[in-house]
Amino acid sequence: DTGVSQDPRHKITKRGQNVTFRCDPISEHNRLYWYRQTLGQGPEFLTYFQNEAQLEKSRLLSDRFSAERPKGSFSTLEIQRTEQGDSAMYLCASSSFGPRDGNTIYFGEGSWLTVV
Amino acid sequence: KNQVEQSPQSLIILEGKNCTLQCNYTVSPFSNLRWYKQDTGRGPVSLTIMTFSENTKSNGRYTATLDADTKQSSLHITASQLSDSASYICVVSLVYGNNRLAFGKGNQVVVIP
Repeated sequence: DTGVSQDPRHKITKRGQNVTFRCDPISEHNRLYWYRQTLGQGPEFLTYFQNEAQLEKSRLLSDRFSAERPKGSFSTLEIQRTEQGDSAMYLCASSSFGPRDGNTIYFGEGSWLTVV
Repeated sequence: KNQVEQSPQSLIILEGKNCTLQCNYTVSPFSNLRWYKQDTGRGPVSLTIMTFSENTKSNGRYTATLDADTKQSSLHITASQLSDSASYICVVSLVYGNNRLAFGKGNQVVVIP
């Protein structure tokens, strides 16, 4: 257990439905990241928060995706009008400083999404 | 072309044997290089972090090396155990951008008894 919690761990949804994932980072970490990972691939960056500010979004994050971190603690990732191509594992990670600083980035166990 | 290439894509080794995983990267400049272990269906767990000035870093039976001149890193697993069966992901932190991490696709290791 890395200390980063994600919920739910698994979600099966019908195409067109909305889904929301929650991430609780390590409490003292001010940086929070969302990644998407498909089978046989490394994680792909989606978005990044420093405290409550969303500082960067990948172009992978279409208009159907939105992420929030309202109080600088937990974060949610919502996918609207899901498509089959959204099926993946969504990983949350947190750290106390940025990757350049060489400190550990802790990942959660991931939330598996299957769109049928 | 991916900025981080790992080889072999997958390998099978006998329990108790050693193995070495390779990571070649084109990212430059970079601030640090990380190796993560990811069990099937789980999130990645950090094994080692090396700055560009470090040549080696160990974590138990895992030893990572880094040659910044040739832009190569390796992860050596000594006396493999069944629990070492996992994907090992090489990750390079870019200098520019607060959050920039370049991930490899991973080396899939299967340890058999």
